[in-house]
Amino acid sequence: EAGVAQSPRYKIIEKRQSVAFWCNPISGHATLYWYQQILGQGPKLLIQFQNNGVVDDSQLPKDRFSAERLKGVDSTLKIQPAKLEDSAVYLCASSVIIGQTSTDTQYFGPGTRLTVL
Amino acid sequence: AQTVTQSQPEMSVQEAETVTLSCTYDTSESNYYLFWYKQPPSRQMILVIRQEAYKQQNATENRFSVNFQKAAKSFSLKISDSQLGDTAMYFCAFMKHGGEYGNKLVFGAGTILRVKS
Repeated sequence: EAGVAQSPRYKIIEKRQSVAFWCNPISGHATLYWYQQILGQGPKLLIQFQNNGVVDDSQLPKDRFSAERLKGVDSTLKIQPAKLEDSAVYLCASSVIIGQTSTDTQYFGPGTRLTVL
Repeated sequence: AQTVTQSQPEMSVQEAETVTLSCTYDTSESNYYLFWYKQPPSRQMILVIRQEAYKQQNATENRFSVNFQKAAKSFSLKISDSQLGDTAMYFCAFMKHGGEYGNKLVFGAGTILRVKS
């Protein structure tokens, strides 16, 4: 079974530029998460999708960050314009729903390391 | 809101020895899950072990076991017979139970574990 795929693995941009990250979850996983991991800290949830609907985006800086999952499969996270403090690893994770019961195990992708200069 | 605290930024252990990583958490929830995730230098986050709060028996996965003290809100990870491949950042994480669409993970800041030969 293929894991969660993310691209690119690394990205370096200047502040005020825009950037986009892509995630393809494990096949059949209805729930998709984007986490931000700043160096020296644990990951923090940015946004959670259930199929193509947003479940939780309370910690997403909506003035500069946006995310979509149009067909309920892969997802794109965008930052526009980027700030220095956005330098971090962006992790995508997915989990499966069985019937009407959520499962607790999230599977993570390798992440995208963003450096904003 | 839930918080997770890992008080040991770094730990080291000799190969074949045993090491214990500490984690405490704060929550008003009565039903939840606790996890230990491993993140090697390649950055792929891997689930090590999980514990359901309603279970009194401590979870065990091969060389990995936990000491779950619900009243004390403590959740430590013991790694026996440490191997060089155990070198990684270890994150303790909390997830509240329930919810039709799955729930976010709340992570601690992590503990870097170095296994020495």
